[in-house]
Amino acid sequence: KNQVEQSPQSLIILEGKNCTLQCNYTVSPFSNLRWYKQDTGRGPVSLTIMTFSENTKSNGRYTATLDADTKQSSLHITASQLSDSASYICVVSFLSGGYNKLIFGAGTRLAVHP
Amino acid sequence: EAQVTQNPRYLITVTGKKLTVTCSQNMNHEYMSWYRQDPGLGLRQIYYSMNVEVTDKGDVPEGYKVSRKEKRNFPLILESPSPNQTSLYFCASSLWGEQPQHFGDGTRLSIL
Repeated sequence: KNQVEQSPQSLIILEGKNCTLQCNYTVSPFSNLRWYKQDTGRGPVSLTIMTFSENTKSNGRYTATLDADTKQSSLHITASQLSDSASYICVVSFLSGGYNKLIFGAGTRLAVHP
Repeated sequence: EAQVTQNPRYLITVTGKKLTVTCSQNMNHEYMSWYRQDPGLGLRQIYYSMNVEVTDKGDVPEGYKVSRKEKRNFPLILESPSPNQTSLYFCASSLWGEQPQHFGDGTRLSIL
């Protein structure tokens, strides 16, 4: 069964600290993996997208890694800011019937405290 | 400004009263999609559209209808809403299905 699991479910860190969020998937055949940030009351916003051949991709203080062999991805946030408080969603895309389908993880809720 | 616009943002209604949630995008995107988001669950796809007049079921299509008569609009129709359709709904669009999606800000529906 195609699944995307994220951990931890929630996380609290102090402003300025780093953190890493995890995403494990069993989706096949893999097409790409995306990380989204969802602020409370808003729609998700794309942070990164990685294909099979990409190991790492950065977007400012956000760095995503992908290990397609172990089917794991991580999102590392450096020098966290209060504005990083949000839910982070891992989305894996796979091919089905000639089209790309998406499986969403349940998200990790991050709270950054001063 | 590039955006996906959903209306209404909030709606409380009663079981069985037909309702439509509108979605419009101004980016000339081919692909549009509807999702629902429930606590503890990831976003689940309801319906998607690869292009005008082309729609297909997602993972949870029961109780919903959609139409794509023009590229910019993709309304979600609940013919006979039930309480289990109480949820937060998102519309999204992208240039192609493989591209990252732009999401609207959501519509919170409460069906009593």
